[in-house]
Amino acid sequence: DIQMTQSPSSLSASVGDRVTITCRASQSVSNSLSWYQQEPGKAPKLLIYGASTLQSGVPSRFSGGGSGTDFTLSISSLQPEDFATYYCQQSFNAPLTFGGGTRVEIK
Amino acid sequence: QLQLQESGPGLVRPSETLSLTCTVSGGSISSSSYYWAWIRQPPGKGLEWIGTIYYSGTTYYNPSLKSRVTISVDTSENQFSLKLNSVTAADTAVYHCARPRGPTVTTWVFDNWGQGTLVTVSS
Repeated sequence: DIQMTQSPSSLSASVGDRVTITCRASQSVSNSLSWYQQEPGKAPKLLIYGASTLQSGVPSRFSGGGSGTDFTLSISSLQPEDFATYYCQQSFNAPLTFGGGTRVEIK
Repeated sequence: QLQLQESGPGLVRPSETLSLTCTVSGGSISSSSYYWAWIRQPPGKGLEWIGTIYYSGTTYYNPSLKSRVTISVDTSENQFSLKLNSVTAADTAVYHCARPRGPTVTTWVFDNWGQGTLVTVSS
């Protein structure tokens, strides 16, 4: 199985800050990497797929980058509604695997 | 607009079988372009892919659960189902049904989710 490791596991930031989350795969997943946002008690919401393609309806302050084993999710200017937990997921091969999550909290 | 809704018992006894159904509305489960999946999340923990099914019945399971899992589809009811046998407390989780974006593994990223249902394994 491909192991996905996210860092940090949590971070504190203020509204307006730029935030970057990292996801590392245990082997190359090419660009088959997606990012989700999950608010408490809700289903995950797809933000980015193909490492850098923004899902329809997702604000442009979200961006993704990377390929191979190292990926990033950036939020250019953190908004109140962005405080949530973020997960990466590889779809290079089965079994599909997710990172452990990064919780973004209000400073 | 596609909607997915999970249903089933919220409490299952240890060693018994967990059974859930996902009802799809706003679209046909028999669409040739789509597969359907189950994903779970233990309380306070991360996400785990359980398996994926095509409307024809072709299935793909997570090897970690494969010996205990069966996913099936009922096209007449526009539903697909999950059975997990010999459950233990470690199977306590929110179970989500979801639809991936496309028909190949590289497109198995999930843009439609059910709200999820908590299943607790306890005597």
